[in-house]
Amino acid sequence: DIQMTQSPSSLSASVGDRVTITCQASQNISNYLNWYQQKPGEAPKLLIHDASNLETGVPSRFGGRGSGTDFAFTIRSLQPEDIGTYYCHQYNNLPPTFGQGTRLEIK
Amino acid sequence: QVQLVEAGGGVVQPGGSLRLSCAASGFTFSYYGMHWVRQAPGKGLEWVAFIRYDESNKYYADSVRGRFTISRDNSKNTLYLQMNSLRVEDTAVYYCAKISGPGRDYYYMDVWGKGTTVTVSS
Repeated sequence: DIQMTQSPSSLSASVGDRVTITCQASQNISNYLNWYQQKPGEAPKLLIHDASNLETGVPSRFGGRGSGTDFAFTIRSLQPEDIGTYYCHQYNNLPPTFGQGTRLEIK
Repeated sequence: QVQLVEAGGGVVQPGGSLRLSCAASGFTFSYYGMHWVRQAPGKGLEWVAFIRYDESNKYYADSVRGRFTISRDNSKNTLYLQMNSLRVEDTAVYYCAKISGPGRDYYYMDVWGKGTTVTVSS
């Protein structure tokens, strides 16, 4: 199975800050990497697909980059509604696997 | 709009069975593969199973293979997960999710349901 190592596991930042989360795959997954946001008590929501493509309707302050084994997810200007847990997810190989999550809080 | 509604969760003793369902609307269900993904209390996301749009391929996580069966009824726009020989470690919220892109054998999840809770406890 492909292991997804996500960091940090938790993050506290101020409104307006630039926030970056990284995800490293244990083997090459090309660009088959997505980012999901999960707010407390809710289902995950797809934000970024194929490493860098913003899902329709997702604010442009969210972005992603990377290919191969190293990926990054960025929020350009953190907003209060961005609190939650963020997961990277690879679907290059079965079984699909997720990073362990990054809990994002507002300072 | 696309909607997925899970049902069938509950409390069951170890060794017991449950059948989850996922009612789909707002899209042509028969064109899309579907996943089940679970989340244990306070934990991350764990993929459980996938079924191709025409049921010709099914894939399972090692942790559930031989105990869980994924199926679908395209005439009823409904996905199922039959869970047998349940263990305490199967306790989780179970989400169904559709894949992005019709007609694909396997692809990523784009829309998720709100989930149904399964508790395995004596």
